[in-house]
Amino acid sequence: KNQVEQSPQSLIILEGKNCTLQCNYTVSPFSNLRWYKQDTGRGPVSLTIMTFSENTKSNGRYTATLDADTKQSSLHITASQLSDSASYICVVSANAGNMLTFGGGTRLMVKP
Amino acid sequence: DAGVIQSPRHEVTEMGQEVTLRCKPISGHDYLFWYRQTMMRGLELLIYFNNNVPIDDSGMPEDRFSAKMPNASFSTLKIQPSEPRDSAVYFCASTMGGAGGYTFGSGTRLTVV
Repeated sequence: KNQVEQSPQSLIILEGKNCTLQCNYTVSPFSNLRWYKQDTGRGPVSLTIMTFSENTKSNGRYTATLDADTKQSSLHITASQLSDSASYICVVSANAGNMLTFGGGTRLMVKP
Repeated sequence: DAGVIQSPRHEVTEMGQEVTLRCKPISGHDYLFWYRQTMMRGLELLIYFNNNVPIDDSGMPEDRFSAKMPNASFSTLKIQPSEPRDSAVYFCASTMGGAGGYTFGSGTRLTVV
């Protein structure tokens, strides 16, 4: 069964600090891995998309890594801002990308 | 482009009533997905369409749920009769397919009392 596990479930950090969110998956055949940010009351918004051959991808202060051998990904947030407070969802695609398996998300709260 | 448009944003209805959720995908996107999100279960795929044809509806929880896509620019998700356990946020998403990006709508928050 395809599964995506995220950790931690929730995280509180101080503004300006860095943090790293983890994602482990057992999805086959792997197509790509995406990180989404979901603000409260909004739909998920894509941050990064990585295919099998990509090890790292950045989007501003967000940097995602992918280790296809160990089936792990991380999302690193640098110099956190209050607006980073949201849920971050790891999503893995199988079968040419049309079927998504969602992780349970990490709820991040950035405090001043 | 205005993105994926869902309506209504909020819906409160009484148990037993029919509920219809609406979605307008991004023009040119061949795939449309309906998801349900709850605190307990996260995001779950209900059904998806390719070129207006339902491809996989295995996620539809019961016969009370039905979805249609009469044309490339409109889809509905209907619940009849609604039950309190249907309370959730329902998202519509569309994509061109493959490794392309998915765009989610803002969701419809459904409360069945």
